[in-house]
Amino acid sequence: QQQVKQSPQSLIVQKGGISIINCAYENTAFDYFPWYQQFPGKGPALLIAIRPDVSEKKEGRFTISFNKSAKQFSLHIMDSQPGDSATYFCAASKNSGYALNFGKGTSLLVTP
Amino acid sequence: GAVVSQHPSRVICKSGTSVKIECRSLDFQATTMFWYRQFPKQSLMLMATSNEGSKATYEQGVEKDKFLINHASLTLSTLTVTSAHPEDSSFYICSARRQGLQYFGPGTRLTVT
Repeated sequence: QQQVKQSPQSLIVQKGGISIINCAYENTAFDYFPWYQQFPGKGPALLIAIRPDVSEKKEGRFTISFNKSAKQFSLHIMDSQPGDSATYFCAASKNSGYALNFGKGTSLLVTP
Repeated sequence: GAVVSQHPSRVICKSGTSVKIECRSLDFQATTMFWYRQFPKQSLMLMATSNEGSKATYEQGVEKDKFLINHASLTLSTLTVTSAHPEDSSFYICSARRQGLQYFGPGTRLTVT
């Protein structure tokens, strides 16, 4: 059973545009929500993470928006670049140190 | 930063043989490591949680006698795929926990012929 639902499955954005990926969860015990970036044949790399006590977190061009009441969170990539083309996974866990429940992933393509 | 390595990066083996994959935390000690499996164009699925000095905890549906996990030291966990079959072909990724965060290894591509 997929505990974290992610959309869209794929996304094409022009260079300089904003990429938006959404995730939803059901388990209210989750309190750690990271986003990972994965390039083909590589392991996932942590991009940014948020906890439910804040509604937004920004690191460089990456922003997480969190809506606790709706049990949704999203990743915004500002000024998207071709080098951002990768697969992005949202995840959730009961604690940052516990096993992660991953979304199905979003394949992002940023065109020049 | 926290670095996690895996060895080998790629392995091809014949059906019926066993394969060992190593996961090492290079610059920190990890009492807990996780093993995930990822099929092509799919998400990461947790296989088991590996705790140093104790038995691994397997997720439902994962055969513990087929996927042997040993966490013998604070920097090394191993996953042995026993009697591998073509359906075991996948990308195996480990992660190590440090200060509440998980750091992932680069993955091991297993192909069983």
